[in-house]
Amino acid sequence: SQTIHQWPATLVQPVGSPLSLECTVEGTSNPNLYWYRQAAGRGLQLLFYSVGIGQISSEVPQNLSASRPQDRQFILSSKKLLLSDSGFYLCAWTPSTDTQYFGPGTRLTVL
Amino acid sequence: ILNVEQSPQSLHVQEGDSTNFTCSFPSSNFYALHWYRWETAKSPEALFVMTLNGDEKKKGRISATLNTKEGYSYLYIKGSQPEDSATYLCAFGHGSSNTGKLIFGQGTTLQVKP
Repeated sequence: SQTIHQWPATLVQPVGSPLSLECTVEGTSNPNLYWYRQAAGRGLQLLFYSVGIGQISSEVPQNLSASRPQDRQFILSSKKLLLSDSGFYLCAWTPSTDTQYFGPGTRLTVL
Repeated sequence: ILNVEQSPQSLHVQEGDSTNFTCSFPSSNFYALHWYRWETAKSPEALFVMTLNGDEKKKGRISATLNTKEGYSYLYIKGSQPEDSATYLCAFGHGSSNTGKLIFGQGTTLQVKP
């Protein structure tokens, strides 16, 4: 069966510090991968998606970047965090263009 | 800009009440409409994926309908239970690509009081 992991579960970082969130999927190959963020009082916003290794599409201009160094690994990064980067980050995968399966999420607080 | 609207934003009902929520989405370039349930401290969990106009799906006490021509979907919960308390998200998949991208509504938060 397929599983999706995210870490860390929670993170408190100062403004201006770097960020690296990791997402890995097990039990499947060549999934589509997605990063979402839910900011306080807002809905789920798609940040990045990837249809293959090294292929990243950005949905909104922002302070973040994403990379997919391996087939089942998706990384969300920032060189310098802003207060507005606080939120709940979810990684998701789908085998094709159907149901998306979400990871447990990372709660990021930028102080 | 593609927009998905859900109403109401929140809902409080008594145990045993039946309830329904609405999701409005663009009626053009439709690919699929998804419903997810998001319980506190958990990940969003898929309820339904609907692709055809007139689709109706059912899972226990929860059902959903789809009207792609007018761009809306309804989610119904019959005889609400406290364990149904969660945020219900709908997401619109548009058919312009094979990326599986979804546009989520802001959700309807349901609280069921015992």
